Amino acid sequence: RKEVEQDPGPFNVPEGATVAFNCTYSNSASQSFFWYRQDCRKEPKLLMSVYSSGNEDGRFTAQLNRASQYISLLIRDSKLSDSATYLCVVNPRGSARQLTFGSGTQLTVLP
Amino acid sequence: NAGVMQNPRHLVRRRGQEARLRCSPMKGHSHVYWYRQLPEEGLKFMVYLQKENIIDESGMPKERFSAEFPKEGPSILRIQQVVRGDSAAYFCASSSSGEGNYGYTFGSGTRLTVV
Repeated sequence: RKEVEQDPGPFNVPEGATVAFNCTYSNSASQSFFWYRQDCRKEPKLLMSVYSSGNEDGRFTAQLNRASQYISLLIRDSKLSDSATYLCVVNPRGSARQLTFGSGTQLTVLP
Repeated sequence: NAGVMQNPRHLVRRRGQEARLRCSPMKGHSHVYWYRQLPEEGLKFMVYLQKENIIDESGMPKERFSAEFPKEGPSILRIQQVVRGDSAAYFCASSSSGEGNYGYTFGSGTRLTVV
């Protein structure tokens, strides 16, 4: 079983749609969680951290369920510029040395 | 304040040659991390270094790969006798401490193509 698993997609949605991505992780001792965004042939960029209480940043909402070892990202009112690959990232030890990346979920927002 | 700088952006090597990838961390950062992304795959941790020390190299292939972060100058990831399977994007990140609770910022990467 992979340490971090994501549905690879692709997700093709119209502008203005709401889309949700899910991610599961295998290490119950994991301490920090993130969503990164990666545009084609570019470096991953931190989108947001994920907290146990859930957190929101504009149109983006992240949720964490430690009991189920499950992380989600919700994007409301999708924009064309949201088209990218979304990476679920887990920090299993609380140190920066080994962030574990999922393989990513590809999103295309259509006009 | 420049971010993490990597060079070259693109590197083409013939099989058997050596590849040297450079990473200059953000100003004030003394911790450097190298990750590799194979085509159609996620990023995989390779090595974590502090100035003049390798802290964790558990993700490095056992042969042909080495990394250093000297007291002066950039961190270097060195691949000897490259093979086609080494073709990938290599990303570097840096941080001011070893704490990972805030994620970290990547450089633009070096795309290595072995022909």
